[in-house]
Amino acid sequence: AQSVTQPDIHITVSEGASLELRCNYSYGATPYLFWYVQSPGQGLQLLLKYFSGDTLVQGIKGFEAEFKRSQSSFNLRKPSVHWSDAAEYFCAVGAGVTGGGNKLTFGTGTQLKVEL
Amino acid sequence: DGGITQSPKYLFRKEGQNVTLSCEQNLNHDAMYWYRQDPGQGLRLIYYSQIVNDFQKGDIAEGYSVSREKKESFPLTVTSAQKNPTAFYLCASSTLVGDRSYEQYFGPGTRLTVT
Repeated sequence: AQSVTQPDIHITVSEGASLELRCNYSYGATPYLFWYVQSPGQGLQLLLKYFSGDTLVQGIKGFEAEFKRSQSSFNLRKPSVHWSDAAEYFCAVGAGVTGGGNKLTFGTGTQLKVEL
Repeated sequence: DGGITQSPKYLFRKEGQNVTLSCEQNLNHDAMYWYRQDPGQGLRLIYYSQIVNDFQKGDIAEGYSVSREKKESFPLTVTSAQKNPTAFYLCASSTLVGDRSYEQYFGPGTRLTVT
């Protein structure tokens, strides 16, 4: 069965500083990988995804992530954090199911705090 | 605007009562999903459906039931058999065609409190 580990429960960065959120996955085949962001009391918004091709993927809001098969990692990065980026971030791995679609397995999330 | 709606946003029930959470989508997506979110545990899959009148159990289906009578709708019933029903419930949908990433789009969620 697939699994996702987000080792950092909380991260605090200063506005304008760079950000890297870690994600490690376990999956037997080529994974479908996703990063989502959640504001308090809200649903999840997709930031970016990887399922094939270029291992550096660009997403919305200036985020990017790099898939490293050798390290089983899919870390999320942003060169300069804005105060509005404060939220909870979830990494997920998707396993294809018969009939189509993905069963997503989520990490436990990383809460990002941005200091002004 | 296309999207996923969940109602109500907040729901309060007494222990022992069944309660149904609504999820509607107008994205013309074939697949729909229900997740439960608890603090510090991420999201866990309850049920999913890829086609009308068919659905499969996820990782934590015990104490829950679903139906899929219309493509647009996938209601979740939290039964009295669910031992710890208080949680934030999220509905999602995805296409089953296209680039095969099958990215899931999420609704705003329903917070259920059972006392």
